[in-house]
Amino acid sequence: DADVTQTPRNRITKTGKRIMLECSQTKGHDRMYWYRQDPGLGLQLIYYSFDVKDINKGEISDGYSVSRQAQAKFSLSLESAIPNQTALYFCATSDLRDSDNEQFFGPGTRLTVL
Amino acid sequence: AQKVTQAQTEISVVEKEDVTLDCVYETRDTTYYLFWYKQPPSGELVFLIRRNSFDEQNEISGRYSWNFQKSTSSFNFTITASQVVDSAVYFCALSEANSGYSTLTFGKGTMLLVSP
Repeated sequence: DADVTQTPRNRITKTGKRIMLECSQTKGHDRMYWYRQDPGLGLQLIYYSFDVKDINKGEISDGYSVSRQAQAKFSLSLESAIPNQTALYFCATSDLRDSDNEQFFGPGTRLTVL
Repeated sequence: AQKVTQAQTEISVVEKEDVTLDCVYETRDTTYYLFWYKQPPSGELVFLIRRNSFDEQNEISGRYSWNFQKSTSSFNFTITASQVVDSAVYFCALSEANSGYSTLTFGKGTMLLVSP
């Protein structure tokens, strides 16, 4: 079984809809991250969390919110989706005890906003 | 200012050619980590290598090798005798001490196309 899972894997939605992307991990890691990937732009950090009570904005947090429901779960919400949020979204985890911050990525969620 | 620059947007080679993917980074920290990830057409991100700033020894793993040069702030990746399965987008990333190593900054990626 995968250590970092994301649901759904693909989603098509309409402008203005609320949507939630979920991430779960069985690695026992403290840190979790949400990234979006647009063609030609690499991965950009949306939000990250170092534990259940710690949430931090990344470089492109506008239009997104997150919830760390448990150490193993980190959800990303689009309150009112817009077409330019069409992208590939990745969840990642890392271990606080690893000084290098190697991150382990989920398989990605492909989101299309019409 | 961009902290990780991958100037090559796309590279096309023929199978068995050697190819080098460039990565130039910018940091004020003396302690940092550099990474390479591979993203095949299926979309997942695959970790390839991690290197810390105190270890400038080059690394070889099969057909893959990495050349880390602090003097030029570069961490280049070479694939020897490329194969079609090497076709992917490759990302270089930086983790800095001044952020508590809390985040990774990615380059925009280089798409490598290896044709038969």
